[in-house]
Amino acid sequence: EDQVTQSPEALRLQEGESSSLNCSYTVSGLRGLFWYRQDPGKGPEFLFTLYSAGEEKEKERLKATLTKKESFLHITAPKPEDSATYLCAVQAGGATNKLIFGTGTLLAVQP
Amino acid sequence: ETGVTQSPTHLIKTRGQQVTLRCSSQSGHNTVSWYQQALGQGPQFIFQYYREEENGRGNFPPRFSGLQFPNYSSELNVNALELDDSALYLCASTSGGGTSPGELFFGEGSRLTVL
Repeated sequence: EDQVTQSPEALRLQEGESSSLNCSYTVSGLRGLFWYRQDPGKGPEFLFTLYSAGEEKEKERLKATLTKKESFLHITAPKPEDSATYLCAVQAGGATNKLIFGTGTLLAVQP
Repeated sequence: ETGVTQSPTHLIKTRGQQVTLRCSSQSGHNTVSWYQQALGQGPQFIFQYYREEENGRGNFPPRFSGLQFPNYSSELNVNALELDDSALYLCASTSGGGTSPGELFFGEGSRLTVL
């Protein structure tokens, strides 16, 4: 069964304190791995797509990496505005663009 | 470029009632999917529509149904509401119908509360 597990469930950082979020997955025929940011009461906002092991993508203070079993979202020198829930999702083989999501990591960055 | 828009943003229903949620896809996108997100959980796939037909469905009962219109907008209908249907309902759009991978762009969601 296709599955996505994210850790930790919650993470509290001081402003400027770098860290990483983990997403481990089991999927038959990975077509893509996606990272989204979600603010309270809002829809997920697209951040990155990774398609193959070894691939890396960067955007401002965020960097996403992918291996055959997991992905990491590295946050360098975070700011309070980076506080949000970060969702990881995989797209498996099939006829749809169905995403299978993890439960997310709630990140709080304190000034 | 217009993003994904959903309506209504919030609504309250009682058990047994029916609800219709609406979604306008992002400009240029012909594929719409719906997700249910319970509090503290990740979104769960309900179904996907492409060319006005359902072409994929998650593990949801038949009382969850949908439509897609020629302008690619979509509706989600839920009959015989249950308390567990209380959730944020998200619409997402993309292009291509599912034949190739691609990022989904989400709306802000409709928050449904069932009493």
